[in-house]
Formats: sequence, structure tokens, C-alpha cells
Amino acid sequence: NAGVTQTPKFRILKIGQSMTLQCAQDMNHNYMYWYRQDPGMGLKLIYYSVGAGITDKGEVPNGYNVSRSTTEDFPLRLELAAPSQTSVYFCASSKPRDRGLETQYFGPGTRLLVL
Amino acid sequence: QKEVEQDPGPLSVPEGAIVSLNCTYSNSAFQYFMWYRQYSRKGPELLMYTYSSGNKEDGRFTAQVDKSSKYISLFIRDSQPSDSATYLCAMSAEIVLTGGGNKLTFGTGTQLKVEL
Repeated sequence: NAGVTQTPKFRILKIGQSMTLQCAQDMNHNYMYWYRQDPGMGLKLIYYSVGAGITDKGEVPNGYNVSRSTTEDFPLRLELAAPSQTSVYFCASSKPRDRGLETQYFGPGTRLLVL
Repeated sequence: QKEVEQDPGPLSVPEGAIVSLNCTYSNSAFQYFMWYRQYSRKGPELLMYTYSSGNKEDGRFTAQVDKSSKYISLFIRDSQPSDSATYLCAMSAEIVLTGGGNKLTFGTGTQLKVEL
């Protein structure tokens, strides 16, 4: 299994440009998540999905959009890039459990620089 | 006040030392307490987790939770250079995200370097 994969690894965007960060998992996990990691701030949840066709906002959704048309893929869209979106973006996935904590598996991240 | 506080370090120790990493938190609803390890330019990976109070041991790693003090710790015995990484604490309440899944609240991470 490749686990959680993310592309691209690194990207530079100009202010106002748009792009899609790709995320895919081959573990047949229902739940998928997008986080951003900023220095000194910890990981913050942007959006999450509990299954194909179902998405919901996390703590910091403004400026982003997501879709989930398949179990495997969960792309994150930036429509009008702003310098405040400079960050490292992580995608994660997990398998539902009847009770308790489900383990989230993280991808390697996408480093985004908006200038 | 942040929900989860973690000293960012960096923490530098000699090989073989015992390392203590800590987090404090303010939300008494947290029931799951996790430690993630993140190598440079990689994604976090779950090291271990504890439910409610108590200790949990896994090889050289021991996690402790003191809910009365809202304080959690990760101890690494016989530290190795391969333990050099950033260690993130994360916490979750029983209440899940709408439709399922756990909402994790992360600390900022402590950077650890184990020197030869």
C-alpha cells in the first residue's frame, strides 16, 4: 500500500492564482481530512469528509473548497491565493471505529508559498 | 489561552539520555491523548495514545496522563539519534465530528535532537 499520497510536494503561487492540492489514499478509509501546519501554531483542520459526497468545514475553512467524488480522492481547492495561505498542507485518512479513537494516517505534505 | 500548550524547544540531549516531553491543556472534555512523531519534511505519524488517565508503555516510550492537573507527558528511554524529530501532542474529546471521526487538537510540537 502507498498509504496517503499528496501532490505536488512544493508549489509557488502568485497572489490571486488558484490551484488544487491532490490527495489520494489506497487503504479504503472512509474518513479523510485536510490540515494546515504553520510555524508555532500546530495543525489546524481545514475540511474533512466522512465518505464520498459528504464534506464539512473544520476550524479554518475560509479560502478553501473541497470535493469527495470517490472514496480514494480528496482534493483541496484554493481559488484566490493569498499570502496568509502560505503553509504546509497535510492530508490524512482514517477508518471508522464503533467506539474509541481512529488512527489518522498522514500524507507527506504539500509546501505552498504564496507571493 | 490556547487549548493545548507545548514547549517548542529545541531540546538537545546526548544519546542514551531519558527525554521528557510535556503538554498542558485546558479543555476538560479531552479523553484521548496522543503523541505523534514528525520527521523533517514528513507527515506526522501516530506513536501512541492513551485513553483517559494513566500510563501506557511501548518499548522505550511511555505516555502518562494526569487529568487532574491537565498534564500529559511522553518519556523516551535510552534515546537514539533516530529519535530526532518533532513530537506533537494531540487530544480529542469523545464527541466526534458531524458524521463521524475524531476532532484532534494539536500542540505546536517540540523539536528534539539526540546527539551522538
